[in-house]
Amino acid sequence: QKEVEQNSGPLSVPEGAIASLNCTYSDRGSQSFFWYRQYSGKSPELIMSIYSNGDKEDGRFTAQLNKASQYVSLLIRDSQPSDSATYLCAVNIGRKGSGGGADGLTFGKGTHLIIQP
Amino acid sequence: GAVVSQHPSWVICKSGTSVKIECRSLDFQATTMFWYRQFPKQSLMLMATSNEGSKATYEQGVEKDKFLINHASLTLSTLTVTSAHPEDSSFYICSARGPQTGGRGSPLHFGNGTRLTVT
Repeated sequence: QKEVEQNSGPLSVPEGAIASLNCTYSDRGSQSFFWYRQYSGKSPELIMSIYSNGDKEDGRFTAQLNKASQYVSLLIRDSQPSDSATYLCAVNIGRKGSGGGADGLTFGKGTHLIIQP
Repeated sequence: GAVVSQHPSWVICKSGTSVKIECRSLDFQATTMFWYRQFPKQSLMLMATSNEGSKATYEQGVEKDKFLINHASLTLSTLTVTSAHPEDSSFYICSARGPQTGGRGSPLHFGNGTRLTVT
């Protein structure tokens, strides 16, 4: 079972509409969840972090977390062409046997989002 | 915010040679840094955790003798790809947790990445 799953897309959304990106994770004990945006050929940049069940809003972005369903989502309101990118869901998953105390994050494959002008 | 600088941004080398990539935390100290690799249209895969003053911790399937990691100071970690081969061509990205909390719950901040092409 994959640890962090995302629909690879592409997800096409008209400009001004709401883009909805989804992610599921396998480790029920995960506590930290992040959304990163990655433009082609660039490194990821942090968009949102969420730690508690419910919604967290930051400007046009809203992250939603449901730990019971092991589900985290990102909503982008008033989508702009500049939002076109790959969105990576990242989870702090406890990794047995890998050693080290401060694990890195486990990333999904990302959802390719296209905002159509 | 936390700034992570990575150098070089791209490098082309011949098969069999070695390449060193530097990762610096510019405005904070990072006892731990993480090295990721990303192949085209693939997810970021954690290669190893770099620990200041001690040996790096490698993920399963990553050859520690091929990917040498040195974390000699609180602001610098280096990854050396030894005896590079074309299949090592990839996007290598380092990261570190920011200074505010530093714990496992805090997000990672990424360097700009290094595009390695082995011919």
